[in-house]
Amino acid sequence: QVQLKESGPGLVQPSQTLSLTCTVSGFSLTSYNVHWVRQPPGKGLEWMGRMRYNGDTSYNSALKSRLSISRDTSKNQVFLKMNSLQTDDTGTYYCTRGGGFAYWGQGTLVTVSS
Amino acid sequence: DVVMTQTPVSLSVSLGGQTSISCRSSQSLVHSDGNTYLYWYLQKPGQSPQLLIYKVSNRFSGVPDRFSGSGSGTDFTLKISRVEPEDLGVYYCYQGTHYPLTFGSGTKLEIK
Repeated sequence: QVQLKESGPGLVQPSQTLSLTCTVSGFSLTSYNVHWVRQPPGKGLEWMGRMRYNGDTSYNSALKSRLSISRDTSKNQVFLKMNSLQTDDTGTYYCTRGGGFAYWGQGTLVTVSS
Repeated sequence: DVVMTQTPVSLSVSLGGQTSISCRSSQSLVHSDGNTYLYWYLQKPGQSPQLLIYKVSNRFSGVPDRFSGSGSGTDFTLKISRVEPEDLGVYYCYQGTHYPLTFGSGTKLEIK
């Protein structure tokens, strides 16, 4: 069945770089897009960016200067890197499969704090 | 960016009752391919969002027929009938027509 799972450090220091991995199973990264969505504590959902099935990427313009999404199709993994983290980057980070976001990972909580 | 305005912010519904949530977009969500990429999600407490409705009015697999979506262009509605305890949570609309993709701010449903 389709599964996505986020992994990464739970704590990041301000000004440092966040690196997250989304490991997928049950579908191919060369057939489906994978998106990253984040949610600050107690707040709504924000689309961050997308890895397209053909390797192209799109980013939220508000994050574009700090954000990079890449992948390793042989490992069924999509990566998110975001630099210059600040406290308002604290939140739960999700990866979700494109085509309607029918499948989501369980999310990983990232806290930005010294 | 397309702004998705959801109303109300919160609502309280009796078990077995009916309610609706409105979602309005700042521009038409009709894509050049003719589809309207408007979706509805429910995020239950402590969980990831789950897809309820795709492309305005299509129920996702396993979603009860108590949930229905309607609308067109810039004005959309999610209706929930015969409300059950498991319906509590925050409902989000989302548009997948224009980049950057955007979500509504959410509607919190409480059970009376």
